[in-house]
Amino acid sequence: DQQVKQNSPSLSVQEGRISILNCDYTNSMFDYFLWYKKYPAEGPTFLISISSIKDKNEDGRFTVFLNKSAKHLSLHIVPSQPGDSAVYFCAASLTATSGTYKYIFGTGTRLKVLA
Amino acid sequence: NAGVTQTPKFRILKIGQSMTLQCTQDMNHNYMYWYRQDPGMGLKLIYYSVGAGITDKGEVPNGYNVSRSTTEDFPLRLELAAPSQTSVYFCASSYSGLREQYFGPGTRLTVT
Repeated sequence: DQQVKQNSPSLSVQEGRISILNCDYTNSMFDYFLWYKKYPAEGPTFLISISSIKDKNEDGRFTVFLNKSAKHLSLHIVPSQPGDSAVYFCAASLTATSGTYKYIFGTGTRLKVLA
Repeated sequence: NAGVTQTPKFRILKIGQSMTLQCTQDMNHNYMYWYRQDPGMGLKLIYYSVGAGITDKGEVPNGYNVSRSTTEDFPLRLELAAPSQTSVYFCASSYSGLREQYFGPGTRLTVT
């Protein structure tokens, strides 16, 4: 049962245009969502996050939108740059009964920004 | 700050061999995690720890063991390697109360 889905394995975008990466989830108990960026042969690095009480969070060129009714979030990158070419993972988090956080990761979307 | 470091970067094991994947963080984070990533899949949690002396199972703990004797170190032990354990292993850490995790560069393990 895949609770977090990234249905697009790959995406190509021209430099300077907008990149939109999508993520769907099924568990309404998730209360926090994160995006990570991963370059080859490196570990994921945190990019941006959003709490379930918000519908938008912006950090420079990166904006995450959350639609709770649709159980959908998206990451917008504007303008896209060649250095943004990487695999992007969506992660959903909830607070477990133990008080710790549980994370479920999507399968990733490989973004290629064309110069 | 080195962040989260993992050794080795690569390893090939024969079936039935054992090994320990090392993970160290220098950020004084309470929480540490071990994930595995199989091709085309998301990260799956193997074990986690909320502090020295405290560990618990994640989604896929079978075939692995962990210990946490210090805040900095969180080694992952494979006792009897199997081909199904061929994967990339990531160690991560975070501050308690914060959701963002910091990941190491990974260990690519092949079991043949």
